Amino acid sequence: EPEVTQTPSHQVTQMGQEVILRCVPISNHLYFYWYRQILGQKVEFLVSFYNNEISEKSEIFDDQFSVERPDGSNFTLKIRSTKLEDSAMYFCATQRGQSSGYTFGSGTRLTVV
Amino acid sequence: AQKVTQAQTEISVVEKEDVTLDCVYETRDTTYYLFWYKQPPSGELVFLIRRNSFDEQNEISGRYSWNFQKSTSSFNFTITASQVVDSAVYFCALSGVGSGNTPLVFGKGTRLSVIA
Repeated sequence: EPEVTQTPSHQVTQMGQEVILRCVPISNHLYFYWYRQILGQKVEFLVSFYNNEISEKSEIFDDQFSVERPDGSNFTLKIRSTKLEDSAMYFCATQRGQSSGYTFGSGTRLTVV
Repeated sequence: AQKVTQAQTEISVVEKEDVTLDCVYETRDTTYYLFWYKQPPSGELVFLIRRNSFDEQNEISGRYSWNFQKSTSSFNFTITASQVVDSAVYFCALSGVGSGNTPLVFGKGTRLSVIA
């Protein structure tokens, strides 16, 4: 069964550093999402991406965050200057079509120290 | 705005007991999808079910069953004869149906502990 692949599985970074989280979507999927889950809390929507542009973003997705699909395969989430409160699990999810189910990656656990 | 409420923060049951996890949702959409996900201690999100708002039939899959009641905006999940491997956090979620992306809105989750 096709999978959404996220790398790295765990990243530790110093406060103020830039991080890039990577997601390889399923090849025929068109809709992409990033979600965040702070430890012990609910999964929160960050941003959705379609046709090479952001289609919706939440209040959490401020100027420190950016997404892109630079090479047509990887879908990346960049945090420019990490803060302690960015420590969380970040999930990538993709959909083939608007009414299709979502396929989640296994997540990247980001720890900011 | 869409909202999902899982009032039960934690539930603890003894193995082989039945347990029901509650989910109440709010949406102004006439068409929407409801989901349940399982998050085991390893952290990944495991898809359990997706239900279209037009389909109010209850669903059973092995020891799992779901009761969708549009009149009360609820989509409850029952595990029959619980097992230790069912211990996890369970999330109920909602998405719209329309043009473009339709992000999931998650509840806060219910942590289920099944004790041997």
